[in-house]
Amino acid sequence: KQEVTQIPAALSVPEGENLVLNCSFTDSAIYNLQWFRQDPGKGLTSLLLIQSSQREQTSGRLNASLDKSSGRSTLYIAASQPGDSATYLCAGSSGTYKYIFGTGTRLKVLA
Amino acid sequence: EPEVTQTPSHQVTQMGQEVILRCVPISNHLYFYWYRQILGQKVEFLVSFYNNEISEKSEIFDDQFSVERPDGSNFTLKIRSTKLEDSAMYFCASSEGASWSYEQYFGPGTRLTVT
Repeated sequence: KQEVTQIPAALSVPEGENLVLNCSFTDSAIYNLQWFRQDPGKGLTSLLLIQSSQREQTSGRLNASLDKSSGRSTLYIAASQPGDSATYLCAGSSGTYKYIFGTGTRLKVLA
Repeated sequence: EPEVTQTPSHQVTQMGQEVILRCVPISNHLYFYWYRQILGQKVEFLVSFYNNEISEKSEIFDDQFSVERPDGSNFTLKIRSTKLEDSAMYFCASSEGASWSYEQYFGPGTRLTVT
């Protein structure tokens, strides 16, 4: 059964730091992988999608990569800002219809 | 930009009552999904729907749950007799193709509170 773990569970950093969030699948057979942001009590905002033929995606200060051999993805946030404070979720498809979501990383960026 | 919409944003109901959560997927999408997130827990898959039938469902999606696409635009989730443990945020999603190749687009969610 596919499980998704995100490390760290929580992170607090000063503004301006570069940081890396990790996502790991127990079964490395991953097709699509998406990173989302969730503000408290709110919905899911899609950040980046890495499709099955891709290894990396970039959007502004965000960069996500996927190593299919190990089933691991990282989300890199450059020059973090207080507005980046949120929970970050990764989710992927293992070839079935559903997305399996990770446990999330709660990020707090201090001004 | 097209988006998935959900109504209502918040629904309060009494235990044992039936609720229907509504979603309008993106118009050219063919695959539809429901997920839920209990407060403080991770997002869990409930069901996927394609070509007017369920294509996959989780263990959570028991006989108390049903889905329907009553017309060309709406996609609904019905909970027949709500329980306290059904209290959660329910997210609808849609995709142009199967999720191993296409991005899923999520709605803003409906917060269901069962009292």
